[in-house]
Amino acid sequence: QVQLAESGGGVVQPGGSLRLSCAASGFTFIDYGIHWVRQAPGKGLEWVAFIRYDGSITSYADSVKGRFTISRDNSKNTLNLQMNSLRAEDTAVYYCAKDRAQYCTGGSCDALDIWGQGTMVTVSS
Amino acid sequence: SYELTQPPSVSVSPGQTASITCSGDKLGDKYACWYQQKPGQSPVLVIYQDTKRPSGIPERFSGSNSGNTATLTISGTQTMDEADYYCQTWDSSTVVFGGGTKLTVL
Repeated sequence: QVQLAESGGGVVQPGGSLRLSCAASGFTFIDYGIHWVRQAPGKGLEWVAFIRYDGSITSYADSVKGRFTISRDNSKNTLNLQMNSLRAEDTAVYYCAKDRAQYCTGGSCDALDIWGQGTMVTVSS
Repeated sequence: SYELTQPPSVSVSPGQTASITCSGDKLGDKYACWYQQKPGQSPVLVIYQDTKRPSGIPERFSGSNSGNTATLTISGTQTMDEADYYCQTWDSSTVVFGGGTKLTVL
């Protein structure tokens, strides 16, 4: 079945780096844009980043722009999020989520129809 | 930046109709969608493109979007519908979520 599985979470000191991964299965990965969404403990959902189906276009929330980099390897059906200069306020469960639109070029795609189980990132000294 | 506003909480009795609103500037000119999230679980898409239900979502879930307000309606609410609900749209090539609404069924 269609699945997304995140990995790479953990505890990191402020100013440190962490790389999250998301493994996709059960659908044609190369056809769909993918998002990262996070949720701080007890808080709501916050969109983090999006990458187009072919990896040629990315977009970021202002809160992470310049610190986080989203990328994908379509030959391995994987998505990555490189997080640098981490802050306490980056502490959250990080979800990868598939966009519903096929071949969306960005700008305004569709809803997020498949979500992973999430991976916890804790930024603390 | 674009903002979506939801009421923090809504209460409903079992079997009654629950309505959760989501407000944003000219939201009716965009597509809105809705997610359900139960404690300790990942979000689940329940409405997309304003009014459409994904496969497997019960018919009691419906949506509308006009003017500045999108609305998620749950008819014949069941205790299993108790959850947090989030609206979402796109603006300026970014995804925007509402702050979430806790639906209590009692």
